[in-house]
Amino acid sequence: DFQLTQSPSFLSASIGDRVTITCRASQGISNFLAWYQQKPGTAPKLLIYAASTLQSGVPSRFSGSGSGTEFTLTISSLQPEDFATYYCQQFVTFGQGTRLEIK
Amino acid sequence: VQLVETGGGLIQPGGSLRLSCAASGITDINNYMTWVRQAPGKGLEWVSVIYTSGRTEYAASVQGRSTISRDTSRNTVAFQLNSLTPEDTAVYYCATFLSGYDYFDNWGQGTLVTVSS
Repeated sequence: DFQLTQSPSFLSASIGDRVTITCRASQGISNFLAWYQQKPGTAPKLLIYAASTLQSGVPSRFSGSGSGTEFTLTISSLQPEDFATYYCQQFVTFGQGTRLEIK
Repeated sequence: VQLVETGGGLIQPGGSLRLSCAASGITDINNYMTWVRQAPGKGLEWVSVIYTSGRTEYAASVQGRSTISRDTSRNTVAFQLNSLTPEDTAVYYCATFLSGYDYFDNWGQGTLVTVSS
């Protein structure tokens, strides 16, 4: 079965830090990968699609890269509102999530 | 685009749920309608899709006991799940899926379904 594996599963960081989350696909998926942010009690929010295209309205401190089997989501300078759980997704498969918390 | 789910609540094991999603503002004919669920404290799990052609697909976890349908005249999508177990306890989200780019671009607020006696 196709799988997406995110790392790390948990990340502790400080305001202003640069953080990177990795998503590995069990088989090549070209650039068909999206990233979502989810805060407690709310629906996921699309951040990036096609691996690196920023969804309208998403701050430019978020960026995505990768193709094939390895992808990254980078937040260049963490803001208080960025502490959340992040998921990668390809078609109907989601990664297990990365929880980003304040150090 | 606005998606509003209704129909959640407390249901006994062995019972059925029927959720409805009212959609407005969808203009892209490439949008598929889907249901995604999230068990308490867990990740996201896709459960069902209905394509613009009317073809449907289901996750293995609900295959054989679920039905997704749509009423294009009312812009609604429904999801029925039978033979419920506590493992079906989750927030159920209605979401649109943009084909070609393959991502979920719009989400409802979610509706909580609790399966418990």
